[in-house]
Amino acid sequence: DIQLTQSPSFLSASVGDRVTITCRASQGISSDLAWYQQRPGKAPKLLIFGASTLQSGVPSRFSGSGSGTEFTLTISSLHSDDFATYYCQQVKTYPMTFGPGTTVDIK
Amino acid sequence: QVQLVESGGGVVQPGRSLRLSCVVSGFTLSSFEMHWVRQAPGKGLEWLAIVSYNGNNAEYADTVKGRFTISRDNSENTLFLQMDSLKVEDSAVYYCARDMGYEGLDYWGQGTLVTVSS
Repeated sequence: DIQLTQSPSFLSASVGDRVTITCRASQGISSDLAWYQQRPGKAPKLLIFGASTLQSGVPSRFSGSGSGTEFTLTISSLHSDDFATYYCQQVKTYPMTFGPGTTVDIK
Repeated sequence: QVQLVESGGGVVQPGRSLRLSCVVSGFTLSSFEMHWVRQAPGKGLEWLAIVSYNGNNAEYADTVKGRFTISRDNSENTLFLQMDSLKVEDSAVYYCARDMGYEGLDYWGQGTLVTVSS
């Protein structure tokens, strides 16, 4: 199975900050990676697919990059409703594993 | 608009069975592969299973293989998850989600809570 790790696990940031989250895969997955945002008590929301393609309706302050084994999710300027947990997921092979998550909290 | 609504969760004893349903609307179910994903309280997301368009093929996570069965009834716009031999560690919120062509899960239900406890 492909394992995903995320760093950091937790980060505190302020509105307006630039935030970068890293997801690493245990083996190459090309660009077969998606990013999700989950607010407390809510279902996950797809932000980015294909490692770098913004899902329709997602603000342009979100961006994704990377291929192979290392990927990043960047929020260029944090908004108040961006405080949430972010997960990566590989969709290359089964099982379609998720990373452990990164919680972005208010500093 | 696209909607997915899960039901069937509840409290069940270890070793017993439960069947979850996910009724979809706003799109043609037969045109999409579908997933189940769960989230234990305070934990991360765990991918469980995917079923093919016509229900003839499925893949499972090792943690549920042999105990859970994903299926679908396209004529009823419904996805199912049959959960047998339930364990305490199966307690979680269970989500159904739509596959957008092996690129991600683009629509999710609100989740249904399953609690396995004696």
